Amino acid sequence: DTAVSQTPKYLVTQMGNDKSIKCEQNLGHDTMYWYKQDSKKFLKIMFSYNNKELIINETVPNRFSPKSPDKAHLNLHINSLELGDSAVYFCASSHDRDIALSRYNEQFFGPGTRLTVL
Amino acid sequence: DQQVKQNSPSLSVQEGRISILNCDYTNSMFDYFLWYKKYPAEGPTFLISISSIKDKNEDGRFTVFLNKSAKHLSLHIVPSQPGDSAVYFCAARITSGTYKYIFGTGTRLKVLA
Repeated sequence: DTAVSQTPKYLVTQMGNDKSIKCEQNLGHDTMYWYKQDSKKFLKIMFSYNNKELIINETVPNRFSPKSPDKAHLNLHINSLELGDSAVYFCASSHDRDIALSRYNEQFFGPGTRLTVL
Repeated sequence: DQQVKQNSPSLSVQEGRISILNCDYTNSMFDYFLWYKKYPAEGPTFLISISSIKDKNEDGRFTVFLNKSAKHLSLHIVPSQPGDSAVYFCAARITSGTYKYIFGTGTRLKVLA
Protein backbone atom coordinates (compact mmCIF):
# COMPACT_ATOMS: atom_id res chain seq x y z
CA ASP A 1 0.00 0.00 0.00
CA THR A 2 1.40 3.37 -1.01
CA ALA A 3 1.33 5.75 1.95
CA VAL A 4 1.70 9.02 0.00
CA SER A 5 0.92 8.91 -3.69
CA GLN A 6 1.24 11.54 -6.39
CA THR A 7 -0.07 11.69 -9.93
CA PRO A 8 1.25 12.06 -12.49
CA LYS A 9 4.82 10.87 -12.00
CA TYR A 10 5.99 12.77 -15.08
CA LEU A 11 4.46 15.85 -16.65
CA VAL A 12 5.73 17.50 -19.82
CA THR A 13 3.90 20.58 -21.01
CA GLN A 14 4.22 23.82 -22.93
CA MET A 15 4.80 27.24 -21.44
CA GLY A 16 1.59 29.06 -20.65
CA ASN A 17 -0.45 25.93 -19.93
CA ASP A 18 -2.31 25.21 -16.69
CA LYS A 19 -1.67 21.89 -14.97
CA SER A 20 -2.47 20.09 -11.72
CA ILE A 21 -0.61 17.57 -9.62
CA LYS A 22 -2.59 15.40 -7.23
CA CYS A 23 -1.51 14.06 -3.86
CA GLU A 24 -3.20 11.60 -1.55
CA GLN A 25 -2.12 10.10 1.76
CA ASN A 26 -3.70 7.12 3.51
CA LEU A 27 -1.81 7.51 6.79
CA GLY A 28 -4.46 9.50 8.63
CA HIS A 29 -2.10 12.46 8.93
CA ASP A 30 -3.39 15.93 9.66
CA THR A 31 -0.70 17.93 7.88
CA MET A 32 0.32 17.87 4.23
CA TYR A 33 3.06 19.72 2.36
CA TRP A 34 4.29 20.58 -1.09
CA TYR A 35 8.03 20.86 -1.74
CA LYS A 36 9.91 21.88 -4.86
CA GLN A 37 13.31 20.40 -5.68
CA ASP A 38 15.00 22.52 -8.30
CA SER A 39 17.97 21.83 -10.57
CA LYS A 40 20.39 22.70 -7.76
CA LYS A 41 18.78 19.99 -5.61
CA PHE A 42 17.41 22.42 -3.03
CA LEU A 43 14.29 20.93 -1.45
CA LYS A 44 12.15 23.93 -0.52
CA ILE A 45 8.80 24.08 1.24
CA MET A 46 6.07 25.72 -0.79
CA PHE A 47 2.88 25.12 1.18
CA SER A 48 1.65 23.34 4.26
CA TYR A 49 -1.93 22.49 5.16
CA ASN A 50 -3.22 21.28 8.52
CA ASN A 51 -6.77 19.90 8.60
CA LYS A 52 -7.49 21.60 5.28
CA GLU A 53 -6.24 24.95 6.57
CA LEU A 54 -3.29 26.71 4.95
CA ILE A 55 -0.57 27.21 7.57
CA ILE A 56 2.59 27.80 5.54
CA ASN A 57 2.71 29.75 2.31
CA GLU A 58 6.26 30.53 1.30
CA THR A 59 7.10 33.18 -1.24
CA VAL A 60 5.59 31.28 -4.10
CA PRO A 61 4.10 33.02 -7.17
CA ASN A 62 0.33 33.17 -6.96
CA ARG A 63 0.22 31.11 -10.15
CA PHE A 64 0.61 28.20 -7.71
CA SER A 65 -2.58 27.40 -5.83
CA PRO A 66 -2.91 24.47 -3.46
CA LYS A 67 -6.32 22.92 -2.97
CA SER A 68 -7.22 20.63 -0.07
CA PRO A 69 -10.67 19.07 -0.54
CA ASP A 70 -10.17 16.94 2.58
CA LYS A 71 -7.46 15.93 5.06
CA ALA A 72 -6.20 13.13 2.83
CA HIS A 73 -5.69 15.21 -0.31
CA LEU A 74 -3.59 18.22 -1.22
CA ASN A 75 -3.52 19.08 -4.90
CA LEU A 76 -1.28 21.65 -6.55
CA HIS A 77 -2.60 23.69 -9.44
CA ILE A 78 -0.20 25.77 -11.52
CA ASN A 79 -1.41 28.45 -13.93
CA SER A 80 0.52 29.92 -16.86
CA LEU A 81 3.47 27.59 -16.54
CA GLU A 82 6.94 29.07 -17.03
CA LEU A 83 10.29 27.49 -17.89
CA GLY A 84 11.51 28.09 -14.34
CA ASP A 85 8.72 25.92 -12.95
CA SER A 86 10.55 22.85 -14.25
CA ALA A 87 11.47 20.84 -11.17
CA VAL A 88 10.53 17.79 -9.16
CA TYR A 89 7.57 18.45 -6.86
CA PHE A 90 7.20 16.34 -3.73
CA CYS A 91 4.12 15.99 -1.62
CA ALA A 92 4.55 14.96 2.02
CA SER A 93 2.44 14.41 5.11
CA SER A 94 2.98 14.17 8.85
CA HIS A 95 1.08 13.86 12.09
CA ASP A 96 -0.41 16.91 13.73
CA ARG A 97 1.94 19.85 13.81
CA ASP A 98 1.51 20.25 17.56
CA ILE A 99 3.01 16.90 18.47
CA ALA A 100 6.39 17.76 19.87
CA LEU A 101 9.49 15.75 20.54
CA SER A 102 8.02 12.49 19.42
CA ARG A 103 8.79 9.85 16.88
CA TYR A 104 5.93 11.16 14.79
CA ASN A 105 7.50 14.38 13.66
CA GLU A 106 8.96 12.97 10.51
CA GLN A 107 7.33 13.56 7.18
CA PHE A 108 6.39 10.85 4.72
CA PHE A 109 7.12 11.82 1.16
CA GLY A 110 5.48 10.85 -2.09
CA PRO A 111 7.59 9.63 -5.03
CA GLY A 112 7.69 13.05 -6.68
CA THR A 113 6.35 14.51 -9.91
CA ARG A 114 8.93 15.59 -12.47
CA LEU A 115 7.52 18.63 -14.27
CA THR A 116 9.19 19.74 -17.49
CA VAL A 117 8.04 22.97 -19.10
CA LEU A 118 9.08 23.39 -22.74
CA ASP B 1 20.58 32.25 2.31
CA GLN B 2 20.93 28.53 2.89
CA GLN B 3 20.37 27.86 6.59
CA VAL B 4 21.17 24.16 6.36
CA LYS B 5 24.29 23.18 4.48
CA GLN B 6 25.71 19.88 3.39
CA ASN B 7 29.05 20.86 1.96
CA SER B 8 30.01 17.45 0.60
CA PRO B 9 27.95 16.65 -2.48
CA SER B 10 29.26 13.09 -2.57
CA LEU B 11 31.05 10.47 -0.49
CA SER B 12 32.42 7.02 -1.32
CA VAL B 13 33.05 4.41 1.37
CA GLN B 14 34.06 0.77 1.33
CA GLU B 15 31.51 -1.77 2.49
CA GLY B 16 31.91 -2.53 6.19
CA ARG B 17 33.56 0.79 7.00
CA ILE B 18 32.04 3.83 8.66
CA SER B 19 30.21 6.48 6.64
CA ILE B 20 30.12 9.97 8.14
CA LEU B 21 27.80 12.53 6.61
CA ASN B 22 28.00 16.10 7.84
CA CYS B 23 25.54 18.96 8.10
CA ASP B 24 26.00 22.54 9.30
CA TYR B 25 23.31 25.02 10.18
CA THR B 26 23.16 28.70 10.94
CA ASN B 27 19.88 29.26 12.78
CA SER B 28 20.06 28.69 16.54
CA MET B 29 16.25 28.54 16.66
CA PHE B 30 16.18 25.09 15.07
CA ASP B 31 14.75 22.69 17.67
CA TYR B 32 14.76 19.36 15.87
CA PHE B 33 16.95 17.74 13.24
CA LEU B 34 16.21 14.89 10.89
CA TRP B 35 18.04 12.78 8.34
CA TYR B 36 16.29 11.48 5.25
CA LYS B 37 17.48 8.97 2.70
CA LYS B 38 16.49 9.18 -0.93
CA TYR B 39 16.77 6.60 -3.68
CA PRO B 40 16.47 7.64 -7.35
CA ALA B 41 12.90 8.20 -8.56
CA GLU B 42 11.56 7.96 -5.00
CA GLY B 43 10.68 10.50 -2.35
CA PRO B 44 12.89 11.00 0.71
CA THR B 45 12.29 8.54 3.56
CA PHE B 46 12.85 9.31 7.19
CA LEU B 47 15.93 7.74 8.76
CA ILE B 48 16.67 9.17 12.18
CA SER B 49 16.16 12.36 14.15
CA ILE B 50 17.46 14.20 17.18
CA SER B 51 16.04 16.86 19.43
CA SER B 52 18.12 19.96 20.05
CA ILE B 53 18.23 19.10 23.75
CA LYS B 54 20.20 15.92 23.06
CA ASP B 55 23.64 15.32 21.63
CA LYS B 56 23.30 11.76 20.38
CA ASN B 57 20.63 9.42 19.11
CA GLU B 58 21.26 5.87 17.99
CA ASP B 59 19.10 3.50 15.97
CA GLY B 60 20.76 0.29 14.89
CA ARG B 61 23.58 1.06 12.48
CA PHE B 62 22.68 4.76 12.40
CA THR B 63 23.80 7.35 14.94
CA VAL B 64 23.25 11.06 14.77
CA PHE B 65 25.47 13.43 16.74
CA LEU B 66 24.59 17.03 17.46
CA ASN B 67 27.11 19.69 18.46
CA LYS B 68 25.04 22.75 19.23
CA SER B 69 27.95 25.05 19.99
CA ALA B 70 29.40 24.32 16.55
CA LYS B 71 25.96 24.21 14.92
CA HIS B 72 26.95 20.91 13.39
CA LEU B 73 25.40 17.49 13.14
CA SER B 74 26.62 14.30 11.63
CA LEU B 75 25.19 10.94 10.66
CA HIS B 76 27.31 7.86 11.23
CA ILE B 77 26.53 4.59 9.49
CA VAL B 78 28.38 1.57 10.84
CA PRO B 79 28.96 -0.79 9.16
CA SER B 80 28.13 0.65 5.75
CA GLN B 81 26.31 -1.63 3.33
CA PRO B 82 25.83 -1.36 -0.46
CA GLY B 83 22.09 -0.83 0.13
CA ASP B 84 22.94 2.37 1.98
CA SER B 85 23.98 3.95 -1.31
CA ALA B 86 21.57 6.87 -1.71
CA VAL B 87 21.31 10.63 -1.30
CA TYR B 88 21.09 11.73 2.33
CA PHE B 89 19.32 14.94 3.26
CA CYS B 90 19.75 16.75 6.52
CA ALA B 91 16.70 18.75 7.66
CA ALA B 92 16.13 21.15 10.52
CA ARG B 93 12.86 22.21 12.08
CA ILE B 94 11.92 25.63 13.33
CA THR B 95 8.81 26.10 15.46
CA SER B 96 7.16 29.48 15.18
CA GLY B 97 3.44 28.95 15.57
CA THR B 98 3.81 26.01 13.24
CA TYR B 99 6.54 23.63 12.14
CA LYS B 100 8.72 24.47 9.18
CA TYR B 101 11.43 22.19 7.85
CA ILE B 102 14.54 23.45 6.07
CA PHE B 103 16.45 20.91 4.00
CA GLY B 104 20.08 20.74 2.95
CA THR B 105 21.07 19.96 -0.62
CA GLY B 106 21.97 16.37 0.10
CA THR B 107 25.08 14.18 0.03
CA ARG B 108 25.28 11.27 -2.36
CA LEU B 109 26.73 8.25 -0.56
CA LYS B 110 28.18 5.39 -2.55
CA VAL B 111 29.10 2.25 -0.64
CA LEU B 112 31.53 0.14 -2.63
CA ALA B 113 31.30 -3.64 -2.39
